[in-house]
Amino acid sequence: KAGVTQTPRYLIKTRGQQVTLSCSPISGHRSVSWYQQTPGQGLQFLFEYFSETQRNKGNFPGRFSGRQFSNSRSEMNVSTLELGDSALYLCASRPGTGEPLRHEQYFGPGTRLTVT
Amino acid sequence: GEDVEQSLFLSVREGDSSVINCTYTDSSSTYLYWYKQEPGAGLQLLTYIFSNMDMKQDQRLTVLLNKKDKHLSLRIADTQTGDSAIYFCAERSPDYGGATNKLIFGTGTLLAIQP
Repeated sequence: KAGVTQTPRYLIKTRGQQVTLSCSPISGHRSVSWYQQTPGQGLQFLFEYFSETQRNKGNFPGRFSGRQFSNSRSEMNVSTLELGDSALYLCASRPGTGEPLRHEQYFGPGTRLTVT
Repeated sequence: GEDVEQSLFLSVREGDSSVINCTYTDSSSTYLYWYKQEPGAGLQLLTYIFSNMDMKQDQRLTVLLNKKDKHLSLRIADTQTGDSAIYFCAERSPDYGGATNKLIFGTGTLLAIQP
């Protein structure tokens, strides 16, 4: 099975712009989560989706949003970019069914966003 | 509060055992995980342990869990140069009765291997 894929892998944007990142989960996985990784704050949970519904959200401003499509692919959007949004954005997927046995999350390679 | 702590750096000689420690905060966490991150890469799930277990062994990896002290450790036997990476422990958040993907990660431990 192919792993979690994220596009693009690298992105450079200017302050004030907006950006959309994409994540394709492992085939058959219905649950997707997003994390932000920075040197200062470490790995922080952004949000999670299951069957196109947001199930949980981390402590991020409203500029960060996401969605999930019927094929389980997910996108996250950051509007009005700030320098502090520069980070590695990681997507993770898990089956989301057969709880609680199928709890493991598998991460993609991430999208490296640089805001200048 | 949500705070998972790890030491920042560990250096071991090739062939020795590495022990990476982690202290987590929430005693109601059901699952605890160890992830590995190599430079420029995402997170690779190494192993996990359920909260009703004390120990789990998986080839060269041994996980020990002390629930009373909220202490988790990862032992890597016969450490190789390919084990050089940052290791993160993570606890599954108890949000929504544990039925959430949210993981609370530690700060990460950089494991350096001396030849």
